Amino acid sequence: EPEVTQTPSHQVTQMGQEVILRCVPISNHLYFYWYRQILGQKVEFLVSFYNNEISEKSEIFDDQFSVERPDGSNFTLKIRSTKLEDSAMYFCASSETRTSAGELFFGEGSRLTVL
Amino acid sequence: AQSVTQLDSHVSVSEGTPVLLRCNYSSSYSPSLFWYVQHPNKGLQLLLKYTSAATLVKGINGFEAEFKKSETSFHLTKPSAHMSDAAEYFCVVRTDILTGGGNKLTFGTGTQLKVEL
Repeated sequence: EPEVTQTPSHQVTQMGQEVILRCVPISNHLYFYWYRQILGQKVEFLVSFYNNEISEKSEIFDDQFSVERPDGSNFTLKIRSTKLEDSAMYFCASSETRTSAGELFFGEGSRLTVL
Repeated sequence: AQSVTQLDSHVSVSEGTPVLLRCNYSSSYSPSLFWYVQHPNKGLQLLLKYTSAATLVKGINGFEAEFKKSETSFHLTKPSAHMSDAAEYFCVVRTDILTGGGNKLTFGTGTQLKVEL
């Protein structure tokens, strides 16, 4: 069964460092998303991406964050200068369509720890 | 604005007994509702979804949920719990974009289901 894959599964970084989280969405999907879950809190929407541009973003997704689809398969989330509060599990997701019938398929997550 | 409230943070049942995980939603538009499950160290897996068709929705692994507009509820049930059902369950709402809503999912806080022998 096709799946969304994420790397790394766990990354530890120092505050102020840049981090890139990588995702390979399901191959025929056109819509891509990042969500995050801070320990003990809700899963929160960060950003959605379609046709090589951001289609929607939350207030969390400030100038420190960026997304990119550098080639035909990868979808990346970059945090330019990490802060302690960026420590969270980051989930990538993809969907075939935007309609209500379209299911989001999630990856297993990348746990980011900022020291 | 859309939101979901999961009324129980932890639910504990005995194997073979029924499961009820409660969820109430709030949405300005016709909602699409989902239940996702997360097993330890795994990603989020879709259990079932409601998208304005039948109000009783059947999902994987014997789970089902009923959309009740009058009660703004979408509770998840299973007649007989199995040890493998132990996981965290998330109730999720997405506003239908066709009625002017957005496309992002709003998650509840999750319910940890424990299944005991």
